[in-house]
Amino acid sequence: DIQMTQSPASLSASLGETVTIECLASEDIYSNLAWYQQKPGKSPQLLIYYANSLNDGVPSRFSGSGSGTQYSLKINSLQSEDVSIYFCQQNYDSPYTFGAGTKLELK
Amino acid sequence: EVQLVESGGGLVQPGRSMKLSCAASGFTFNNYDMAWVCQAPKKGLEWVATISYDGSSTYYRDSVKGRFTISRDNAKSTLYLQMDSLRSEDTATYYCARHEHYWFAYWGQGTLVTVSS
Repeated sequence: DIQMTQSPASLSASLGETVTIECLASEDIYSNLAWYQQKPGKSPQLLIYYANSLNDGVPSRFSGSGSGTQYSLKINSLQSEDVSIYFCQQNYDSPYTFGAGTKLELK
Repeated sequence: EVQLVESGGGLVQPGRSMKLSCAASGFTFNNYDMAWVCQAPKKGLEWVATISYDGSSTYYRDSVKGRFTISRDNAKSTLYLQMDSLRSEDTATYYCARHEHYWFAYWGQGTLVTVSS
């Protein structure tokens, strides 16, 4: 199975700040990576697919980048509604595996 | 609007069975592969199983192979997960999700399955 290592596990940032979350795959996943946002008590929602494609309706302050084994999610100008847990997921090979999540809180 | 509504969760004893359902609406159900994804309490996400748009192909994670069966009724726009020989480690919220290629574009609200005596 492909292992997805996410960092940091938790993150505290101020409103308006820029934050970056990293995801490292145990092998090359050829940009087959998605990012999800899970707000407290809610189901996950797709933010980014194919490493850098923004899903419909997702604010442009979210962006994804990376290739090979290293990927990142960047949130510009942090808003209060961005408080969530963020998960990466590789969809290159079955079983489709997720990172352990990054909990983003406001400072 | 795409809607996925799970049902059928609850408390079940170890070794027993449970069947989850997911009612889909707002899209042409038989055009999409569908999946179940679970999340143990306070834990991360785990893909459980996927079924092709026409039901002809199914895929499972190793830990549920031979115990869980994913199926669908396209006439009823409903996805199912039959869970047999349940174990305590199967305790989780189970989400129904619509595939978009190999990622999960839409998720239901989830149904909690608790395996305990």
